[in-house]
Amino acid sequence: GAGVSQTPSNKVTEKGKYVELRCDPISGHTALYWYRQSLGQGPEFLIYFQGTGAADDSGLPNDRFFAVRPEGSVSTLKIQRTERGDSAVYLCASSPYDRLSPQYFGPGTRLLVL
Amino acid sequence: QKEVEQDPGPLSVPEGAIVSLNCTYSNSAFQYFMWYRQYSRKGPELLMYTYSSGNKEDGRFTAQVDKSSKYISLFIRDSQPSDSATYLCAMSGPQGGSEKLVFGKGTKLTVNP
Repeated sequence: GAGVSQTPSNKVTEKGKYVELRCDPISGHTALYWYRQSLGQGPEFLIYFQGTGAADDSGLPNDRFFAVRPEGSVSTLKIQRTERGDSAVYLCASSPYDRLSPQYFGPGTRLLVL
Repeated sequence: QKEVEQDPGPLSVPEGAIVSLNCTYSNSAFQYFMWYRQYSRKGPELLMYTYSSGNKEDGRFTAQVDKSSKYISLFIRDSQPSDSATYLCAMSGPQGGSEKLVFGKGTKLTVNP
């Protein structure tokens, strides 16, 4: 079946601009996770949703970052007033919200802030 | 000290070698342990998912967890050039895949033909 999909695959923007990154989880997966991966590092947790609500947003670095999942499926990560330090790969994962089931990752969105 | 430590390598081995990849951790609350493989410019791909201490084997891959030492390993037998990738260890608490994962930095592996 279809895996996690993310769009766009690449995004180049200018410092100060607003960007939206989209994640489409595996069908039937109720939990959705966002991570950020900087060059040479492992993914770092940002936020996760169980259904429509954010169950844990402790990884969001500041109030410029915001994520929504209005219908419990597709999620959008929103970054306001982008900074060069926001350049990274943004990864989305989904799971069935069962402790015995792992998280499955999408291909990521590569964000470059000039 | 980071919660999860992983030697970034790089690690280079000849085809057919046995590869050993390791991570140590400091948080005793971790109960679920994962290994992901990440090819260049791709998302992480799940290899192994284990709970608590012990061994788990899947084909050429064996995952070991030693909670008493806070140490996990991934062994790759008969390594192939197609195994060349970055290997990420990841861990979570009692909710397993239903909570945030904490990753190591990843070890870059090259298998030479």
